[in-house]
Amino acid sequence: DVKVTQSSRYLVKRTGEKVFLECVQDMDHENMFWYRQDPGLGLRLIYFSYDVKMKEKGDIPEGYSVSREKKERFSLILESASTNQTSMYLCASSLGGVQETQYFGPGTRLLVL
Amino acid sequence: GESVGLHLPTLSVQEGDNSIINCAYSNSASDYFIWYKQESGKGPQFIIDIRSNMDKRQGQRVTVLLNKTVKHLSLQIAATQPGDSAVYFCAENIGVQGAQKLVFGQGTRLTINP
Repeated sequence: DVKVTQSSRYLVKRTGEKVFLECVQDMDHENMFWYRQDPGLGLRLIYFSYDVKMKEKGDIPEGYSVSREKKERFSLILESASTNQTSMYLCASSLGGVQETQYFGPGTRLLVL
Repeated sequence: GESVGLHLPTLSVQEGDNSIINCAYSNSASDYFIWYKQESGKGPQFIIDIRSNMDKRQGQRVTVLLNKTVKHLSLQIAATQPGDSAVYFCAENIGVQGAQKLVFGQGTRLTINP
């Protein structure tokens, strides 16, 4: 079975803090994705990566950056957290083809005070 | 169908009945579709997928139907059980510049009545 793990289930941070969300997958998947999920807005793509050290902006990259130094690990960074970044953050991974299923981690619920 | 605003469409069914959840997708060029199940506080879980060269695919207790003419996708769950209670949403691959890009629906909340 595919396993995608996220470093924290719940996080509470203060406005202005730098926040790191870590995601690890154990299936040697080429693609990795970060989404946020908000009521009424569904899942929105923040960033994705097709290979080590590669990154592409998704639909809402502002206020976020990412890092992929190893194939299995994809990190989402909030450089200076703001209250409007309070959300559920979901990581996903998939094989390298176009028609491939994305498998999700359990999510990190982030509260920025 | 898909929701607008904060309130998800809700489907309530009796335990043991069959459920049908619908999804209207937007892009006629979409070539791959996935159904996910999301339980409260958890990440989305893959249920079943279908490629655009098919119109039906069956899994264990689930069937996905694809009607490309009207851009409609449905998920049928047979003999629903309490554990089927969750939000279900579809995703379409719109394939931007040959790369994978999924667009997700808002979801439908399925409630199973005992």
